[in-house]
Amino acid sequence: GAVVSQHPSRVICKSGTSVKIECRSLDFQATTMFWYRQFPKQSLMLMATSNEGSKATYEQGVEKDKFLINHASLTLSTLTVTSAHPEDSSFYICSAGSGNADTQYFGPGTRLTVL
Amino acid sequence: DAKTTQPNSMESNEEEPVHLPCNHSTISGTDYIHWYRQLPSQGPEYVIHGLTSNVNNRMASLAIAEDRKSSTLILHRATLRDAAVYYCILRDVGGGATNKLIFGTGTLLAVQP
Repeated sequence: GAVVSQHPSRVICKSGTSVKIECRSLDFQATTMFWYRQFPKQSLMLMATSNEGSKATYEQGVEKDKFLINHASLTLSTLTVTSAHPEDSSFYICSAGSGNADTQYFGPGTRLTVL
Repeated sequence: DAKTTQPNSMESNEEEPVHLPCNHSTISGTDYIHWYRQLPSQGPEYVIHGLTSNVNNRMASLAIAEDRKSSTLILHRATLRDAAVYYCILRDVGGGATNKLIFGTGTLLAVQP
């Protein structure tokens, strides 16, 4: 199947700093990418849908000014957690699809810890 | 998005078949039934999907009820590496659909040696 990578795999930062997470589709062009957040022992929660060349669509309750999403190319989407706080500590996962592809391909996730 | 209902957890013995049920009584005609699984500390992995007919692939089989209000994911011979959370998700492919996946709580499958 298609491969999606994320970088970094884990990051520890101080409260108040910003963290950028990259999501890349390695062997296909992803017109749409999705960003999820997962807290311990909980399910994945969709944060936003990112379409190449246009603004992201955020799910209800997700602050667009705090979680900045950029999808500048068909193989790269970035999520920036601005002014991170300890409550933002979570497992962030991206996925990529191509048009109306039947499946989504998920990245391995990024573990964010905010001290 | 239509909801699905799955048992919170199930147990299986290694090398035995596993049947993971999913109820989706409010499924619409344009909803595909997707199954993903998530191993510990990893991103989810696609397992299988179907619309009306039963489906088989190298990982599993998907049995879909005639009225489409329920489905069953079948792992023919469970291995220890199949221990994961299995998510049954309905994905609307009708006009205006966004292709997004909404995850429920899933079923935590434990496999005993």
